[in-house]
Amino acid sequence: GEQVEQRPPHLSVPEGDSAVIICTYTDSATAYFYWYKQEPGAGLQLLMSVFSNVDRKEEQGLTVLLNKKDKQLSLNLTAAHPGDSAVYFCAVSAPGANTGKLTFGHGTILRVHP
Amino acid sequence: AQTIHQWPVAEIKAVGSPLSLGCTIKGKSSPNLYWYWQATGGTLQQLFYSITVGQVESVVQLNLSASRPKDDQFILSTEKLLLSHSGFYLCAWRPLRDISGNTLYFGEGSRLIVV
Repeated sequence: GEQVEQRPPHLSVPEGDSAVIICTYTDSATAYFYWYKQEPGAGLQLLMSVFSNVDRKEEQGLTVLLNKKDKQLSLNLTAAHPGDSAVYFCAVSAPGANTGKLTFGHGTILRVHP
Repeated sequence: AQTIHQWPVAEIKAVGSPLSLGCTIKGKSSPNLYWYWQATGGTLQQLFYSITVGQVESVVQLNLSASRPKDDQFILSTEKLLLSHSGFYLCAWRPLRDISGNTLYFGEGSRLIVV
């Protein structure tokens, strides 16, 4: 089945710097890609969704790159601020009806320090 | 706007005791509903999904069960808790016809500690 590796597991950056998180997936049939943010004790907040026909997507200081050849998905937080500190998860899904099955990475704990 | 509410927020339960976690979604009719489990410090794993009232599909066997008694309600339960059931339980929904793939929207979660 699909496997997703996410790195780094921990990331600490000074305020204003960029933070990059990378996920590598295994199934070439994977078609949908997501990034979620989880703050302590809270649920998952959807940051961005990307289809396989998109190579790059930018929204509100976030950039997602999709490299289908290398089966790699990345999230770049430009000019990170302390409010961005949280756990970030990538998730992928193959085309499918109603199963709602997302395969998640193991998460990246991001700390943005002043 | 749609809202998803989970209850309880947190529970501490003894091994062997029963458990019931609930999830209600408002503002969406006939959503697909899902239960995910997150071990402490770990990733998320799908447990169950339901596309209609009274119909639930199990994804993994963890000595848990789920039911969908109403269109907007999804219940996770067990009669006897195990230590391994500890973790964070997340309910999620997806529109019945989702043109954006498998985008899931999660609730705030229920934290369970089994002692």
